[in-house]
Amino acid sequence: EPEVTQTPSHQVTQMGQEVILRCVPISNHLYFYWYRQILGQKVEFLVSFYNNEISEKSEIFDDQFSVERPDGSNFTLKIRSTKLEDSAMYFCASRLGPYQETQYFGPGTRLLVL
Amino acid sequence: AQTVTQSQPEMSVQEAETVTLSCTYDTSESDYYLFWYKQPPSRQMILVIRQEAYKQQNATENRFSVNFQKAAKSFSLKISDSQLGDAAMYFCAYRSGNSGNTPLVFGKGTRLSVIA
Repeated sequence: EPEVTQTPSHQVTQMGQEVILRCVPISNHLYFYWYRQILGQKVEFLVSFYNNEISEKSEIFDDQFSVERPDGSNFTLKIRSTKLEDSAMYFCASRLGPYQETQYFGPGTRLLVL
Repeated sequence: AQTVTQSQPEMSVQEAETVTLSCTYDTSESDYYLFWYKQPPSRQMILVIRQEAYKQQNATENRFSVNFQKAAKSFSLKISDSQLGDAAMYFCAYRSGNSGNTPLVFGKGTRLSVIA
């Protein structure tokens, strides 16, 4: 069964460093998402992406964040200058199309900013 | 803005028994979708069950079923014949039915323990 994959599974970085989190959505899916979950808290929406552009973004997704689909398979989230409060689990999700409502999640990347 | 409330931070159930997890939501929309996701210790988010608001029939998936009360804006999850592998965080989520790429809105989750 096709699934969303994410790399790396864990990343430790120093405050102020740039990180890129990578996702490979399910191959024929058209809609992509990033969510994050700070330890012990609920899952929060960051950004949605369709047709090579951002569809919607939350207040969390400020100028330090960017997303890109550099090729036909990868979907990346970049944090330009990490802060301590960026430490969280980051989930990528994808959805097939406008009439398929289920979002399928990847296993997540655990980011720790020191 | 839509909100999702899960009023039970923790629940426990004996193996083979039945447990119900509560979820309420607030929306002014008539077209939307509701989901239950399971997050085991590995922290992967796994879809358990989905309900379309326009369907009156409650969704079921094997041992998992929902009680969808649209007027009350309630969407509870029933797990029958609970198994040790059901132990996880369970998140209720809402998605607007409007066209576009609207995201999921999650509740805070309920941690379910299964006692052998």
